[in-house]
Amino acid sequence: NAGVTQTPKFQVLKTGQSMTLQCAQDMNHEYMSWYRQDPGMGLRLIHYSVGAGITDQGEVPNGYNVSRSTTEDFPLRLLSAAPSQTSVYFCASSYNSNQPQHFGDGTRLSIL
Amino acid sequence: AQKITQTQPGMFVQEKEAVTLDCTYDTSDPSYGLFWYKQPSSGEMIFLIYQGSYDQQNATEGRYSLNFQKARKSANLVISASQLGDSAMYFCAMPHSGSARQLTFGSGTQLTVLP
Repeated sequence: NAGVTQTPKFQVLKTGQSMTLQCAQDMNHEYMSWYRQDPGMGLRLIHYSVGAGITDQGEVPNGYNVSRSTTEDFPLRLLSAAPSQTSVYFCASSYNSNQPQHFGDGTRLSIL
Repeated sequence: AQKITQTQPGMFVQEKEAVTLDCTYDTSDPSYGLFWYKQPSSGEMIFLIYQGSYDQQNATEGRYSLNFQKARKSANLVISASQLGDSAMYFCAMPHSGSARQLTFGSGTQLTVLP
């Protein structure tokens, strides 16, 4: 009954460091997405994937990379962290476009 | 491109009363849908209700219902018999056009249920 699992739950980085946020789902969903949520705002789409080997940019992709080598996993990489990337990051998956997205619990990321 | 507008940053409601949270949208897609999500203070995103533009009747899920008015481009969430546990942030969202159909979110409404 795992659903969408995100790790880590919290992370503090220094400016310029790199890291990977992990996301895994066990529901065999084709659609997966990464969103960021800044204080007082809704979620904004960073990158998304409609299946293994297929990724595309969302609304705010700069500074982030993704890959989708398997159906289950969709990691998000920060290549050189910047304070502007301080945010809460959510991974989500869905079976198809008209089904609700299932969200992970989020990763709270602070860049100093 | 889609646009979702939630004009109520904060709302208060007395316990056991009904409350309506507003959501208006703008899209050029002939076929679309609207989702509502709840985000409690613990931070997780919880799916509440969905309605497609071609659905004949307004969607209902327990105490949640959608007041979908296509001519006005509004999809308001109605919560009946409010409970203290309903205090949370509520987001309206619409899938993007095209094959990927990822979500565009409104800015949210913070609902506080008063005892």
